Amino acid sequence: DQQVKQNSPSLSVQEGRISILNCDYTNSMFDYFLWYKKYPAEGPTFLISISSIKDKNEDGRFTVFLNKSAKHLSLHIVPSQPGDSAVYFCAASAGTASKLTFGTGTRLQVTL
Amino acid sequence: GAVVSQHPSWVICKSGTSVKIECRSLDFQATTMFWYRQFPKQSLMLMATSNEGSKATYEQGVEKDKFLINHASLTLSTLTVTSAHPEDSSFYICSARTGTGPTGYTFGSGTRLTVV
Repeated sequence: DQQVKQNSPSLSVQEGRISILNCDYTNSMFDYFLWYKKYPAEGPTFLISISSIKDKNEDGRFTVFLNKSAKHLSLHIVPSQPGDSAVYFCAASAGTASKLTFGTGTRLQVTL
Repeated sequence: GAVVSQHPSWVICKSGTSVKIECRSLDFQATTMFWYRQFPKQSLMLMATSNEGSKATYEQGVEKDKFLINHASLTLSTLTVTSAHPEDSSFYICSARTGTGPTGYTFGSGTRLTVV
């Protein structure tokens, strides 16, 4: 039972344009959502997060939007840069001490 | 920042043999470590949680006798895949608790295991 889904396995975006990565979840108990970035041969690194009491969180070029009624969140990267090329994982937790449940990842390729 | 060093980064072994994967916290003490497994095109699935000095807690469906976890010190946790089979071929990654809340995790770089 995949509780966190990233339906797009890959995405290609031109440098300077906006990248939008999507994530859907099914468990209504999730109250905290995170995005991780992963380069080849490295572990995931934390990028940005959002609590369920908010609908938007912004950090520089990265913005995460949460639509609780649709059980959907998205990560916007603008402007996209070649160094953003990586695999992005969406993750969710139910409570601060809860384990993380990950999506399958979306491979972002930012082209010149 | 906190660094979790995971070794080896890749390993090939024969069916029936055992493989040990190590995760070390380099500049902090990790009382809790997590072990994940990722099959191709699937998500990172939590296998078990290890606490220093006590038995690991395994997720449902994970064989305790096959995936032996040892967390004997505050800086080292190991995962041993015993009697490995080709279906155990996967990407294994560890994570340590480095802070409070859902953002308080640091991941190792992962180990690609191929069983032939």
